[in-house]
Amino acid sequence: GAGVSQSPSNKVTEKGKDVELRCDPISGHTALYWYRQRLGQGLEFLIYFQGNSAPDKSGLPSDRFSAERTGESVSTLTIQRTQQEDSAVYLCASSLTSGRSYEQYFGPGTRLTVT
Amino acid sequence: AQRVTQPEKLLSVFKGAPVELKCNYSYSGSPELFWYVQYSRQRLQLLLRHISRESIKGFTADLNKGETSFHLKKPFAQEEDSAMYYCALRGGATNKLIFGTGTLLAVQP
Repeated sequence: GAGVSQSPSNKVTEKGKDVELRCDPISGHTALYWYRQRLGQGLEFLIYFQGNSAPDKSGLPSDRFSAERTGESVSTLTIQRTQQEDSAVYLCASSLTSGRSYEQYFGPGTRLTVT
Repeated sequence: AQRVTQPEKLLSVFKGAPVELKCNYSYSGSPELFWYVQYSRQRLQLLLRHISRESIKGFTADLNKGETSFHLKKPFAQEEDSAMYYCALRGGATNKLIFGTGTLLAVQP
């Protein structure tokens, strides 16, 4: 395929609204990751899906954040009751089956602005 | 705690000058270290990983466990090297990456 895709590319929302971000991984990639990059900061791990295993949610900053993945395909990251500090670029990545040194391929990101 | 530190936000050099982008890490076990690069208007992509011991686009990086460093080096910088560079660590059984805050490399003509 053409690589990891994400939609929308930009999202402006009002504080308190819910938003849903989408990620389409590379076909055949069993592992999928969500990261967040706030202005002036590095990429921050949010959540990781690997096949049918329970996801690693250790990076989710609060219970307002949740993510789902259907099988080995699309994933959605949902942020409920958005706050201004949620403003960031949300990056999705996918890789072949989890293991040593499997390269993560990143999508273009979704820029979320909470006003 | 796992941590990656990139002390320089911006590194500006002239074309042909040597480049060293610093990266230090904190991890109690045996980590895997990576350098990712993001060129203007492009997505983040892997540049190199320490276990491959490879040179990509003239860049090399050596893992120094004693100094817990993984500095990225290139002997002669080119203008097309201008980009944002991120050092990342993978530790333990998980495949998630811990990223540094990044260094913007600007190569002047």
